[in-house]
Amino acid sequence: NAGVTQTPKFQVLKTGQSMTLQCAQDMNHEYMSWYRQDPGMGLRLIHYSVGAGITDQGEVPNGYNVSRSTTEDFPLRLLSAAPSQTSVYFCASSRPGRVDEQYFGPGTRLTVT
Amino acid sequence: GESVGLHLPTLSVQEGDNSIINCAYSNSASDYFIWYKQESGKGPQFIIDIRSNMDKRQGQRVTVLLNKTVKHLSLQIAATQPGDSAVYFCAESITGTALIFGKGTTLSVSS
Repeated sequence: NAGVTQTPKFQVLKTGQSMTLQCAQDMNHEYMSWYRQDPGMGLRLIHYSVGAGITDQGEVPNGYNVSRSTTEDFPLRLLSAAPSQTSVYFCASSRPGRVDEQYFGPGTRLTVT
Repeated sequence: GESVGLHLPTLSVQEGDNSIINCAYSNSASDYFIWYKQESGKGPQFIIDIRSNMDKRQGQRVTVLLNKTVKHLSLQIAATQPGDSAVYFCAESITGTALIFGKGTTLSVSS
């Protein structure tokens, strides 16, 4: 199994541009989530999904959209990038009822200039 | 919302020593408390968790202690090795659908 994969690894955007961060998992996990990690901070939850067709907001959802059309994929869309969205983004997945034990991807480092 | 926090941002130990990383939490309704390890340039990795109705749980070289009276969580690593050098995060699960992470403690192990 590849586990949780994320693309791209690095991305530079200009303010106002949009883009989609890709996340996929091959473990048939129902639960998937997106976090951002800023220097000296813990991870903050952006959006999560408990299954295909179901998404919900986390702690810091503003400026981000998600969709979950399949169990495997959970893309994160930045609608109009802002410098405040410069961060490292992590996608994670877990089995049903095991939100405590999440499997994280390698992260996408995003810089918005 | 409420969040977990950590007592110390950094901890330096000698190889072979035991390490203790502490965390304070504020939400009494949390049902799980979890420790994650994050190595440089990688995503966090699950280490161990403990349910709120437990006081202690042991894994391989790690022990997690939960003191609900003072809302304190700790991770003990026995015989710390250089490969244990990483950032350690405590996290809590309140609704069973999301995790709230603390800020992290950087553990440095010197040989």
